Amino acid sequence: RKEVEQDPGPFNVPEGATVAFNCTYSNSASQSFFWYRQDCRKEPKLLMSVYSSGNEDGRFTAQLNRASQYISLLIRDSKLSDSATYLCVVNGGYSTLTFGKGTMLLVSP
Amino acid sequence: DAGITQSPRHKVTETGTPVTLRCHQTENHRYMYWYRQDPGHGLRLIHYSYGVKDTDKGEVSDGYSVSRSKTEDFLLTLESATSSQTSVYFCAIGGGGGNQPQHFGDGTRLSIL
Repeated sequence: RKEVEQDPGPFNVPEGATVAFNCTYSNSASQSFFWYRQDCRKEPKLLMSVYSSGNEDGRFTAQLNRASQYISLLIRDSKLSDSATYLCVVNGGYSTLTFGKGTMLLVSP
Repeated sequence: DAGITQSPRHKVTETGTPVTLRCHQTENHRYMYWYRQDPGHGLRLIHYSYGVKDTDKGEVSDGYSVSRSKTEDFLLTLESATSSQTSVYFCAIGGGGGNQPQHFGDGTRLSIL
């Protein structure tokens, strides 16, 4: 079983739409969770950390379900600039992170 | 942006030649990482360092070596480059303790012909 699994997409949505991505992880001992975004031919950038109680940052909401071992990211009121690949990230060992392969989002006018 | 500089940004070389990539940070961070990113595989950890002269292997360490003689510099060496090592290489800092995110450099595009 892959350690961090994501639907590769692409998810095609119109501007203003709400879109959600899910991610599952296999290591039940994982304690830290993040979402990164990566634009084409650029480095990954931290979007937000994911906390047990769920957390929101503007139009972005992240949720964690430890019992089912999945993480979600909700984007409201999508913008053209949200088009990117979103990486689900889970801590692997004490000092390492494991990255999912990413979900591609395309927002169209 | 985190103070991370990777050099070179692009390199084309031939099979069998040695290649060294450099990652330089100005954040005085203890942890540094080297990843490669390939289509269909996502980001994979090559090696990481948790202090000067302290390094450990990652998921795809075969064919790579690293060195860290100063806090600010982490070098990745391909002793004898092969075409399978054509990739985009990212350096990252941060992490450590398992609960902190990492921050990435701009990447190095390496082509081995």
